[in-house]
Amino acid sequence: EAGVAQSPRYKIIEKRQSVAFWCNPISGHATLYWYQQILGQGPKLLIQFQNNGVVDDSQLPKDRFSAERLKGVDSTLKIQPAKLEDSAVYLCASSLEGSASGRRETQYFGPGTRLLVL
Amino acid sequence: KQEVTQIPAALSVPEGENLVLNCSFTDSAIYNLQWFRQDPGKGLTSLLLIQSSQREQTSGRLNASLDKSSGRSTLYIAASQPGDSATYLCAVSDYKLSFGAGTTVTVRA
Repeated sequence: EAGVAQSPRYKIIEKRQSVAFWCNPISGHATLYWYQQILGQGPKLLIQFQNNGVVDDSQLPKDRFSAERLKGVDSTLKIQPAKLEDSAVYLCASSLEGSASGRRETQYFGPGTRLLVL
Repeated sequence: KQEVTQIPAALSVPEGENLVLNCSFTDSAIYNLQWFRQDPGKGLTSLLLIQSSQREQTSGRLNASLDKSSGRSTLYIAASQPGDSATYLCAVSDYKLSFGAGTTVTVRA
């Protein structure tokens, strides 16, 4: 079974530039998550999709971050314009069902995209 | 707001020694707790998932306990090997996954 795919693996940009990350979840997984992991910290949920609808985006900085999941499969996360503090690893994960109200089964994580903003 | 703490932040042990990693959380109203492993430059791999009604889970050399009332979980790794060197993260699930900052383990050959 193929895992969660992410690209690019690394990206270096200047502040105020824009950047986009792509994620392809495990086939058949309804729920997709984007996390931000700053060095030395645990991952923080940015946004959760159930199929192509947003379930939770309460911690997404919506003035500069946007995400979409067209057709309920692949997803892109965009930052525009980037700030120095956006330097982090961006992890995509998927799970078979997920639920807006709670109980979560195992999430499967991709390798992440390491972003450095100069 | 759920707060998850992992102590110590880093741990170095000789090969063969047993590892004990601690996780504490502030809100006991959780559905489950998971332990993940993260290798440098790679994503997270789920090791064990304990449902809130369970006290422990075991997989090979790994054993995780959960005391929901006191907000604590412990991951035991028996007879550590150099290949166990990684960062171990615990995460609790209420309406979303909340992660600790992790414990970075080095097993010396």
